[in-house]
Amino acid sequence: NAGVTQTPKFQVLKTGQSMTLQCAQDMNHNSMYWYRQDPGMGLRLIYYSASEGTTDKGEVPNGYNVSRLNKREFSLRLESAAPSQTSVYFCASSEPTGTPRRNEQFFGPGTRLTVL
Amino acid sequence: AQSVTQLDSQVPVFEEAPVELRCNYSSSVSVYLFWYVQYPNQGLQLLLKYLSGSTLVKGINGFEAEFNKSQTSFHLRKPSVHISDTAEYFCAVSLTGNQFYFGTGTSLTVIP
Repeated sequence: NAGVTQTPKFQVLKTGQSMTLQCAQDMNHNSMYWYRQDPGMGLRLIYYSASEGTTDKGEVPNGYNVSRLNKREFSLRLESAAPSQTSVYFCASSEPTGTPRRNEQFFGPGTRLTVL
Repeated sequence: AQSVTQLDSQVPVFEEAPVELRCNYSSSVSVYLFWYVQYPNQGLQLLLKYLSGSTLVKGINGFEAEFNKSQTSFHLRKPSVHISDTAEYFCAVSLTGNQFYFGTGTSLTVIP
């Protein structure tokens, strides 16, 4: 199993450009998440998807959109990138309650995004 | 919204010495509690979790944590650290198992 994979690993954008960060998991998890990590601020939840076909806003959703394409894939889109979106982005997935490893999040390796 | 406070942003400790990384949370209801470790340029990896039951939780790499409901704390401990424990450590809390709230992290540096 590859676990949680993210593409790309690195990206540099100019202000106003758009891009989509891709995430896929092969663990048959129902729930998937997008976080951003900034120095001194820990991880903050952008959006999450409790199951295929549903998405919900997290703590910092402004400037982002998401798509839960199917059970495996959860993408994050920046429509018009801003320097404040320079960050490291992590995707994660987890099993639902009632399963042995419930509530344990599995993280991808991250995408380092710089917006100039 | 929940909040998680990690009181120490940086903790230097000598090799083979004990360490405690502190975590407090704010919640008036039952929560799930987690500690994650992040090595440089990697994603987060679960160290241990408290869902219910015994308040002393043992995790990987010799770490353990104790849930204290009255003090709303979940401090992480290791009796003897190794160079390889140098990393960033994050405490997290969840009410429902869907939304997770992370602390700002503690950078542990083990000094030879």
